[in-house]
Amino acid sequence: DGGITQSPKYLFRKEGQNVTLSCEQNLNHDAMYWYRQDPGQGLRLIYYSQIVNDFQKGDIAEGYSVSREKKESFPLTVTSAQKNPTAFYLCASSIDPTGYGYTFGSGTRLTVV
Amino acid sequence: DAKTTQPPSMDCAEGRAANLPCNHSTISGNEYVYWYRQIHSQGPQYIIHGLKNNETNEMASLIITEDRKSSTLILPHATLRDTAVYYCIVSYSNSGYALNFGKGTSLLVTP
Repeated sequence: DGGITQSPKYLFRKEGQNVTLSCEQNLNHDAMYWYRQDPGQGLRLIYYSQIVNDFQKGDIAEGYSVSREKKESFPLTVTSAQKNPTAFYLCASSIDPTGYGYTFGSGTRLTVV
Repeated sequence: DAKTTQPPSMDCAEGRAANLPCNHSTISGNEYVYWYRQIHSQGPQYIIHGLKNNETNEMASLIITEDRKSSTLILPHATLRDTAVYYCIVSYSNSGYALNFGKGTSLLVTP
């Protein structure tokens, strides 16, 4: 079945460590996105990529980095520069960046202690 | 993209229609209205979208006012599984940008 896989589902890291969240899709979608969600809040855009080897900053990109070397993969690195990294991270893809038919992964809950 | 305003929460009895309003008074002519929903601790799920005309699919109906300044998502027979946060989003069809999810409306369907 086609879909988006985020791993791991739960992740614990010590403060000051970088951590990379995985996002893989087999939907043949060109566009991919990373969102962050805090308790009781909506989703905030971190980074997005419309095509391989290209990505743009979203509203809260500081302290995060991404790469898009393959169409299927869009990993997100949470660096030590991110002041408050504990959150729920959601990856999504769409066949094009028009907003129609986003498919989301099941999310990674990151806790930094 | 135009900004949207939704009530923070709503209740609905199981089996009744749930009508979720959304105001988008600054919408421009080529902006679409999208609806997504997010069940607790899952990724959002696409429901429906429209430009000018009313739309219906197997999940819901979307009613857009003639002046396009507001819309209503209708779940005709709400079930307990429809309890979720519903996001109304306005975006250009070819903005080349990503959707901006606000805080949405938390819908509670009660037995």
